[in-house]
Amino acid sequence: EAGVAQSPRYKIIEKRQSVAFWCNPISGHATLYWYQQILGQGPKLLIQFQNNGVVDDSQLPKDRFSAERLKGVDSTLKIQPAKLEDSAVYLCASRGTSGGYEQYFGPGTRLTVT
Amino acid sequence: AQSVTQLGSHLSVSEGALVLLRCNYSSSVPPYLFWYVQYPNQGLQLLLKYTTGATLVKGINGFEAEFKKSETSFHLTKPSAHMSDAAEYFCAVRPVGDSSYKLIFGSGTRLLVRP
Repeated sequence: EAGVAQSPRYKIIEKRQSVAFWCNPISGHATLYWYQQILGQGPKLLIQFQNNGVVDDSQLPKDRFSAERLKGVDSTLKIQPAKLEDSAVYLCASRGTSGGYEQYFGPGTRLTVT
Repeated sequence: AQSVTQLGSHLSVSEGALVLLRCNYSSSVPPYLFWYVQYPNQGLQLLLKYTTGATLVKGINGFEAEFKKSETSFHLTKPSAHMSDAAEYFCAVRPVGDSSYKLIFGSGTRLLVRP
């Protein structure tokens, strides 16, 4: 089966600009996660969706970050305006409801804010 | 709050040597425990996991980990390192009873394998 797809793979923007990342989860996976991985740190959960509803967004900086999953499949994470400290890899993961409840990760989008 | 500590941000071993990556968790109730590997410019791949049952867990690529409740540890080992094992390794926990199944990650250990 196809894995989690993310695009773009790399993005360089200037501070105060906006940027959007796209994620397509594994087919049939109802749960989707966005993680932020800053260099030298482990991934940190930003937001979790169950179908098209938000389960947990307690760690999402809502003044600048937003995310949506309109049809319960693809998801978009947006940053507006970007700050230097947003430079990180943004990982998308999805999880099914069987097989050990494992999260499957996409390759990530590496964002550099200059 | 639940946390995960990985001792050592970097580990360098010779090819063929034992690999030992350390992970400790903070919880009075043993959580579900995971080890993930991340190769350069790739996402995370599950190596192994512990939920219940046998405390010695075998994973892919010859890795295994042992859950020790008394030490709140879940160290990852491999008897003989290969060059292809060079990557970053993350320990993660999922708190028991957390219906969101979210993972809390440690800060990672980068493994370097010397020829």
